[in-house]
Amino acid sequence: QVQLVESGGGLVKPGGSLRLSCAASGFTFSDYYMSWIRQAPGKGLEWVSYISSSSSYTNYADSVKGRFTISRDNAKNSLYLQMNSLRAEDTAVYYCARGYYGDYVNYFDYWGQGTLVTVSS
Amino acid sequence: DIQMTQSPSSLSASVGDRVTITCRASQSISSYLNWYQQKPGKAPKLLIYAASSLQSGVPSRFSGSGSGTDFTLTISSLQPEDFATYYCQQSYSTLGYTFGQGTKLEIK
Repeated sequence: QVQLVESGGGLVKPGGSLRLSCAASGFTFSDYYMSWIRQAPGKGLEWVSYISSSSSYTNYADSVKGRFTISRDNAKNSLYLQMNSLRAEDTAVYYCARGYYGDYVNYFDYWGQGTLVTVSS
Repeated sequence: DIQMTQSPSSLSASVGDRVTITCRASQSISSYLNWYQQKPGKAPKLLIYAASSLQSGVPSRFSGSGSGTDFTLTISSLQPEDFATYYCQQSYSTLGYTFGQGTKLEIK
């Protein structure tokens, strides 16, 4: 069965860095786009970034552009999010999600359990 | 960016009720609209994709409709396990996917 397991969250000071990982299993990882989506405490969902199956395409929300970098290692079935220059407003649970892209359809069909990032002094 | 607006933001209903949640896009998104359910402390779960297609394993009491800018999620007969927060999400613009602000469905 499809599994996505995030790790790497924790407490970091403003201006600091953190690298999140997402280990995928149960499907052919290299066939799928992947995304990071976050949720601040008590708030709604915010898409953060996506990466294409071969890493050819990436895109970012304006709120993280220039500070976050998404990457993947298809040989290790792993997705990453390098987060630099962290701000208090980046505090959130970060989910990795698999993106399904078909004819006229595009959605997140599997999600990990999330990892909490807290930015505070 | 495409803005997604859900209404209502919260809703109280009883088991057995028929419930409808609305989602409006700031521009036409064709049928690139998905619905997710999230329970406290859990990851979101895909319910409906492409506006009206039911994800495998999701009960048939859930249905979606709409195209262009206006969409609805309907639960035909509320069950106790349906009390959760529901989000719409547009996947039309690959420049940035956006979610609605959520609709919290509570027990009356």
